[in-house]
Amino acid sequence: GAVVSQHPSRVICKSGTSVKIECRSLDFQATTMFWYRQFPKQSLMLMATSNEGSKATYEQGVEKDKFLINHASLTLSTLTVTSAHPEDSSFYICSARDVRTRGGYTFGSGTRLTVV
Amino acid sequence: QQPVQSPQAVILREGEDAVINCSSSKALYSVHWYRQKHGEAPVFLMILLKGGEQKGHEKISASFNEKKQQSSLYLTASQLSYSGTYFCGTEYGSSNTGKLIFGQGTTLQVKP
Repeated sequence: GAVVSQHPSRVICKSGTSVKIECRSLDFQATTMFWYRQFPKQSLMLMATSNEGSKATYEQGVEKDKFLINHASLTLSTLTVTSAHPEDSSFYICSARDVRTRGGYTFGSGTRLTVV
Repeated sequence: QQPVQSPQAVILREGEDAVINCSSSKALYSVHWYRQKHGEAPVFLMILLKGGEQKGHEKISASFNEKKQQSSLYLTASQLSYSGTYFCGTEYGSSNTGKLIFGQGTTLQVKP
C-alpha cells in the first residue's frame, strides 16, 4: 500500500527558532499533499494544501508566513515553522493519496513539536 | 464546517458491537473513516462516496446515507485491537478535493 514517511518524529526547539518537517511519498507520486495539526485530545485540523510546483493553499486563520510550505518534487513536501513559539507546540501530520488506487489518504507518522 | 460525531466515547467488552455516527449539515462528496491510537498517526479504514453505499472490511463496515448526509461505522464482535479514537473525515462539494474536515472523534475502549 501507499507509504508516507515523515521526519523528524520528535523535535524540541527553542522559542524564536525555525523547524523544518519533511513529508515523503515513498512508493507513489503526489502532486498534492496536506498538512494537519492536532492538539492533545483534539481532532485533526487542516492547515494547508501543498501543491507540487506552485504555491500552497492555506486554510483560514493559518499564517502563511509562519508556516512555510514547499513542494519541490512529486514525492517531497516540507513544512517549516518559523519563529516558533510555545503555542506552536503540537502534533503535525501530513497526508497524501496514491491516485492510482481508490483508497483513502495515507498519513505520515507525525511530528511532535515542542517549543521551549 | 466540522462534522459531528456521536457518541463521544464508548466502552465495550470484547465481542460486543458498536456504532459510530458522523453527521454533516452540508452536502458531502465523500466520508473517510480513520482509527488513531495514542501518539500515532491515523490509519485509513475505508472511504464512502456520495450515491449512498455500504462497505465492509472484515468485522468493520460503514454506510453512507446521502439523504441524511450521515455516515455510520459499524464495529462487530469487537476486539482489543479496536481500541482507539475514530475520526470521520469529510469532503464537501461535488468533487474530490482531498481536503478532509474531521469530526471531533469518538474514543472507543474495548475491555477484556
